[in-house]
Amino acid sequence: DIQMTQSPSSLSASVGDRVTITCRASESVRSYLNWYQQSPGKAPKLLIYAASALKSGVPSRFSGNGFGTEFTLTISSLQPEDFATFYCQQTASIPWTFGQGTKVELK
Amino acid sequence: EVKLVESGGDLVQPGRSLRLSCDGSGFNFDDYAIHWVRHTPGKGLEWVSGISYNGDNIAYADSVKGRFTISRDNGKKSLYLQMNSLGAGDTALYYCAKDENHDILTGVHPLDTWGQGTLVIVSS
Repeated sequence: DIQMTQSPSSLSASVGDRVTITCRASESVRSYLNWYQQSPGKAPKLLIYAASALKSGVPSRFSGNGFGTEFTLTISSLQPEDFATFYCQQTASIPWTFGQGTKVELK
Repeated sequence: EVKLVESGGDLVQPGRSLRLSCDGSGFNFDDYAIHWVRHTPGKGLEWVSGISYNGDNIAYADSVKGRFTISRDNGKKSLYLQMNSLGAGDTALYYCAKDENHDILTGVHPLDTWGQGTLVIVSS
């Protein structure tokens, strides 16, 4: 199975900060990488698919980058509604696997 | 509005069975692959199983293979997960999620719509 490792596992930031989360795959997943946001008590919400494509309706402050084994999710200016847990997910190889999550907390 | 609604979660004893359902509305149900994903506070999200638009392709996580069976009834716009030999490790909130792709083979698979989840607790 492909292992997905996110870093950091948690971070503290302030409104307006630029935040970057890294996701590393144990082997190449090409560009078959999605990013999700999950707020407490809510279902996950798709942000980015195919490593860098922004889902329609998602604010442009979110961006994704990467190919192969290393990927990043960047929030250019953190907003109050962005404090949540973010997950990467690979769909290059079954079983699909998620990263362990990165919790973004208010500093 | 594209919507998925899960049901069937319950408190069950170890070794017992449970069947989850997921009803879709607001989209052409038989055009899309659909998946089960579970969430636990300690482990986060885990992909459980997926089924292609016509049921021809099915896949499972290693942790449930041989115990869980995914199926769909496109006429009823419903997805199912039959869970047998349940153990404590299966305790989780189970979501169904719609794939933007029609199949589950390698490729781009954005899970663009999720239900609200149904809770399964396995405990004696």
